Amino acid sequence: SQTIHQWPATLVQPVGSPLSLECTVEGTSNPNLYWYRQAAGRGLQLLFYSVGIGQISSEVPQNLSASRPQDRQFILSSKKLLLSDSGFYLCAWSVPPDREDTQYFGPGTRLTVL
Amino acid sequence: GQNIDQPTEMTATEGAIVQINCTYQTSGFNGLFWYQQHAGEAPTFLSYNVLDGLEEKGRFSSFLSRSKGYSYLLLKELQMKDSASYLCAVEDGTTDSWGKLQFGAGTQVVVTP
Repeated sequence: SQTIHQWPATLVQPVGSPLSLECTVEGTSNPNLYWYRQAAGRGLQLLFYSVGIGQISSEVPQNLSASRPQDRQFILSSKKLLLSDSGFYLCAWSVPPDREDTQYFGPGTRLTVL
Repeated sequence: GQNIDQPTEMTATEGAIVQINCTYQTSGFNGLFWYQQHAGEAPTFLSYNVLDGLEEKGRFSSFLSRSKGYSYLLLKELQMKDSASYLCAVEDGTTDSWGKLQFGAGTQVVVTP
């Protein structure tokens, strides 16, 4: 069966510091991978998605970037964090052309920028 | 783009039925998903509708009307563990947006004894 891991689970970082969040998927090949952010009391906002190694699409302009160095690894980064980057970061995967193309979420990383 | 609207909060009694409505305005449509999200946890998949009609999965059912841009999630025989946020999400069907989901803000369901 497929599993998705994210780490760290929680993170407290000062403004201006760098960020690296990692997501890995097991038990599947060539997944679509997604990064979402959920601010307190808000809906999920799609940040990046990837259909293959090295292929990244950005949804919103921001100081975040994403990379996919391996088929089942997705990394979210920032060179300098802002207060507004605080939130719950969720990685998700799907396997096209599954009939439903359902996205399944990892456990998330709760980031607090102080 | 897409606008997804759902109520902010609903309260119901244990054992009762609650219906969560979701309306959407889309530039493309390739399906509608419902997710459940408990506080502090990741969303978990509940249901998927791509054709008009009702899909039933145990105590949970989801309905879709594409012509009206409308869906609902029906929770029957409510249990305390059903207290959670329920997220409506629409999959964009346009060529350059294939597979991407647009989420509503979620409906917080509070189940009382």
